[in-house]
Amino acid sequence: AQSVTQLGSHVSVSEGALVLLRCNYSSSVPPYLFWYVQYPNQGLQLLLKYTTGATLVKGINGFEAEFKKSETSFHLTKPSAHMSDAAEYFCAVSEWAQKLVFGQGTRLTINP
Amino acid sequence: EAQVTQNPRYLITVTGKKLTVTCSQNMNHEYMSWYRQDPGLGLRQIYYSMNVEVTDKGDVPEGYKVSRKEKRNFPLILESPSPNQTSLYFCASSLLIAPPYEQYFGPGTRLTVT
Repeated sequence: AQSVTQLGSHVSVSEGALVLLRCNYSSSVPPYLFWYVQYPNQGLQLLLKYTTGATLVKGINGFEAEFKKSETSFHLTKPSAHMSDAAEYFCAVSEWAQKLVFGQGTRLTINP
Repeated sequence: EAQVTQNPRYLITVTGKKLTVTCSQNMNHEYMSWYRQDPGLGLRQIYYSMNVEVTDKGDVPEGYKVSRKEKRNFPLILESPSPNQTSLYFCASSLLIAPPYEQYFGPGTRLTVT
């Protein structure tokens, strides 16, 4: 069965610092992978997705993620954090059709 | 504007009082789904629907019902709510033309059952 583990329920970085949010997945077949962001009192918004092809995926707001099959990882990064990046981030995996399995989420705090 | 809408956004109710949370999408999506979000657990799927009159259980269906009589609407029904159903609920929809079936989420409904 597919599963997702996000390492760290809370991550705190300084404004301008590197953001790294970790995601490891378990899947028996090549998966589709997603990162969603949830701003306070809002729904989930797609940041980026991996389907096939290039393993480095670029998303909105300067975020990117790299699919590493050997490590079963799909970590999210942003070179320079901005105050507006404060939100909760969810990694999700899909093996078939529309079934999405989410990680437990990582709350990102940005310190001025 | 393409969107998924949910109503109400906030709801406080008492144990056993039936309630319905509505979900509507204007994107002509075949697939719709309900999730609940709880701290430390992420989002878990309650029910989903592949098309009109086609629904199936997700991972946590107990205590919930759904219906899909029209393509655009997918209401979530709690016939006898209990405090353990206090949660943040999201509706989502997607096309089924080809993977990876990006899902679009509504703004959420925060439910409190006392």
